[in-house]
Formats: sequence, structure tokens, C-alpha cells
Amino acid sequence: DTAVSQTPKYLVTQMGNDKSIKCEQNLGHDTMYWYKQDSKKFLKIMFSYNNKELIINETVPNRFSPKSPDKAHLNLHINSLELGDSAVYFCASSQGRNSPLHFGNGTRLTVT
Amino acid sequence: AQRVTQPEKLLSVFKGAPVELKCNYSYSGSPELFWYVQYSRQRLQLLLRHISRESIKGFTADLNKGETSFHLKKPFAQEEDSAMYYCALRAYSGGGADGLTFGKGTHLIIQP
Repeated sequence: DTAVSQTPKYLVTQMGNDKSIKCEQNLGHDTMYWYKQDSKKFLKIMFSYNNKELIINETVPNRFSPKSPDKAHLNLHINSLELGDSAVYFCASSQGRNSPLHFGNGTRLTVT
Repeated sequence: AQRVTQPEKLLSVFKGAPVELKCNYSYSGSPELFWYVQYSRQRLQLLLRHISRESIKGFTADLNKGETSFHLKKPFAQEEDSAMYYCALRAYSGGGADGLTFGKGTHLIIQP
């Protein structure tokens, strides 16, 4: 009955590979987000989708491409992984602008 | 653009002592402010939102618009309060869903 679930929990891969992180929410929320938490624990928004439409796209390399097949899912695909991509990626959801964000457990990505 | 500042990267207090985690914000509009907590290797969880004016786990936070602050307080710290605490601001724009802007976090350590 997890509200926001991400898979995988851990992802270890080599530089240059392409990988995806999946996120699903069963809260009926219409807005989903991806946040990156770096090694210093700093959280920064990457993308926001509202009803499958891209709303926020912060300064993120083009190698990162979010995909929202429906409003319950927001997947993150990363091409040509680099060492600096190593971080914990959190998915979150909310009901528009009036509710708090609910976060997933995070995906710890390690690029070697 | 909005900004959230948490001046203390690390705060250590003894069990039973009062705790105050500082948060200041910069935003030209009327903000909505939150405190999120992240226990070791867990997801971020909502602790408080200023519009609720509630006390969760003994924590309270009051929005002071004059000082642009939203400090988190607890009169008597407990060991289980040890965690990372993030202050966050939601800004409103005409574009629809807005993500949260997070401060850099304060690592709270409660010593026995």
C-alpha cells in the first residue's frame, strides 16, 4: 500500500550507460516531481509534471528525460551516465498546488 | 526567484534540551512553508506546514513574515529526533503546479 514507490532502490552502473528509474503513485495525485539529493544532502527539483504535462524543467542536462505515460507514473531516463550523476533521486507527488509533497523512498544511483 | 536558507548545517543538542532549527526565506509573494524530516536513509516525510498551525511530534513552527522566518522549535529534544530537517517553500506562479524549493538542510543530532 506504498503511496509513492520507486524502483530500483539501488542502481550501480558504469559511465556511459543508459538507465531508467520508475516511479508510481497510488494517491490519485495529479502532479509528480523528480528531485535530486546530492552527496551534501542538498535537494533540488529537476522536473514537475501536472496531468502528464511538463510544468517545471530546471537546468538539467538533456541526458535526463522524464516520461509520464499517465498521471500515476513519472519515469526518469538518463542517457550516457556520468560520475556526477551519482546521487539519490526522489520521486514525489502532490494534488496540484494545494497539498504537500509525498516522497518515495529514493533511488541511490552510483556511477562508476 | 525564491530562496530558502538554513544557516546551520549541523546542530547538536543534549536530550531534554530545547531545539531551534532556523529557516529564513526570500520570496516576493505570499509563501507556503513546510518542514520535512528525513530519518537515516529513509524518505522525506512532511513534518509541518505553516497553514496547519499544528504541533507534530512536539515540534512547532511559526511563520514570521516580518523576519521572513519559519523556525522549527521543540522544547525538549528526544533521541529519536536525530535526523535531517529541511525547510521548504512553495511559490505560486500562473503556470499551475509548483514544486518546493528546499533549504540545504540541518542535520540534528541529539546526544544522550
